[in-house]
Amino acid sequence: GQNIDQPTEMTATEGAIVQINCTYQTSGFNGLFWYQQHAGEAPTFLSYNVLDGLEEKGRFSSFLSRSKGYSYLLLKELQMKDSASYLCAAPYSSASKIIFGSGTRLSIRP
Amino acid sequence: GAVVSQHPSRVICKSGTSVKIECRSLDFQATTMFWYRQFPKQSLMLMATSNEGSKATYEQGVEKDKFLINHASLTLSTLTVTSAHPEDSSFYICSARAAGGLGNEQFFGPGTRLTVL
Repeated sequence: GQNIDQPTEMTATEGAIVQINCTYQTSGFNGLFWYQQHAGEAPTFLSYNVLDGLEEKGRFSSFLSRSKGYSYLLLKELQMKDSASYLCAAPYSSASKIIFGSGTRLSIRP
Repeated sequence: GAVVSQHPSRVICKSGTSVKIECRSLDFQATTMFWYRQFPKQSLMLMATSNEGSKATYEQGVEKDKFLINHASLTLSTLTVTSAHPEDSSFYICSARAAGGLGNEQFFGPGTRLTVL
């Protein structure tokens, strides 16, 4: 079956670094997505990892270990606007469906 | 590029009425569109997958006669919530997958907030 686990909530301080972890179990592997979702808005794409290792995009980086079924999203130099839910998601089936984790609600405090 | 629009953004209706939500890919052809539902503080739950010109595939537990999906063209899919009830109140989000796109990346619409009184 398909299963994605991530922490429900996290809190961090403005200017700091936070790591959001995600573990997944999928039948077959077709990459792993991270999305950001602000309250009342649709998700926006952050990253897509297919190969092991760290991919950096400005303040955001995403890491993948396929052997461990593990990924994390690293946010640096946190800003208040980074307060949002972060969704880990994995494609599955030949129909290109995506299954989403429950999301991690990140709160940034001054 | 890769913009997806939804209309309306918000709708309030009376119980028992039907509501149609449109999802359009504005600058690309979407071979597949997906409809999700999201309840407060929960993640996105896939309702159905729709391919242009064919019947939608519904996820387990989603009533196909209640949530009618029409994918008439490569840029438009519609979701009709028939005989809506208060428990159908939710945030409905569509996404579209472009042919030859990055992996299985989906581009999301801005969502439609449905409130059934």
